Amino acid sequence: DSGVTQTPKHLITATGQRVTLRCSPRSGDLSVYWYQQSLDQGLQFLIQYYNGEERAKGNILERFSAQQFPDLHSELNLSSLELGDSALYFCASSVGLAGGRAQYFGPGTRLLVL
Amino acid sequence: GESVGLHLPTLSVQEGDNSIINCAYSNSASDYFIWYKQESGKGPQFIIDIRSNMDKRQGQRVTVLLNKTVKHLSLQIAATQPGDSAVYFCAENTPGRDSTLTFGKGTMLLVSP
Repeated sequence: DSGVTQTPKHLITATGQRVTLRCSPRSGDLSVYWYQQSLDQGLQFLIQYYNGEERAKGNILERFSAQQFPDLHSELNLSSLELGDSALYFCASSVGLAGGRAQYFGPGTRLLVL
Repeated sequence: GESVGLHLPTLSVQEGDNSIINCAYSNSASDYFIWYKQESGKGPQFIIDIRSNMDKRQGQRVTVLLNKTVKHLSLQIAATQPGDSAVYFCAENTPGRDSTLTFGKGTMLLVSP
C-alpha cells in the first residue's frame, strides 16, 4: 500500500458526460500528479499540482482540468467525454518539488466511456 | 480507426532464474532514475531508484545499473519468482523539470514455475 488513495475504483459513463476523480496523497506529500494509462499510449503525464498551485502540464486535453485543495487532496475533472477517454487514471504524490524524489502511485480509477 | 494494444517487449524466464530488464533513457541531462513494477489492474509500485552520481545500487533481490555513457539503465532481479510477473517501467527526472518524471514504455516480465 503506497498511502495514496483514489476514488472511485471504477467508473462507467456515457459519451458527453462529465466525471470527477478524486485523490488523496500520502501524508506529508505536497505534490500531486495525474497520469492517464491507455492500451495504446502507455503512461502519460497529465498535470502536476504543488501545495494548491498548478506546477506542470503534460499531455492534458482542454476538456480535462484539475485542482488541489487546501487539505492537499486533488480532483481531476473530465468533461465532454469521448470513447477514447476510456483508460486507467492514476494519481501519484511526492514530498515536494525538488527533483530526485520518488513518486508513489495510487491504485487508479478505471474509466469506461460507452 | 481500430486501436492497437501497446506491444511491450516481453521477457520470459523460469522461476529461480535471474532476470535483466533494460531501459534506454532519453535525456543525457537526467540525474535521477526509478524502476517501477506494475501488476495487472494495479498502480505502479516503486522498486528502487538511483542517482546519476552512482552506477550501481542494490536492494532486496534487485540491483539497478546505470551507464550514463550510453544512456542505459538495467534492473536485475535475482532468483525470479512467479510473483515478479508484471510490467516494469523505468522513469527519469531531468533537472529543470522539478519532480516530474518521464516514463519508458515498459517491459513485461513473465515468470513460469
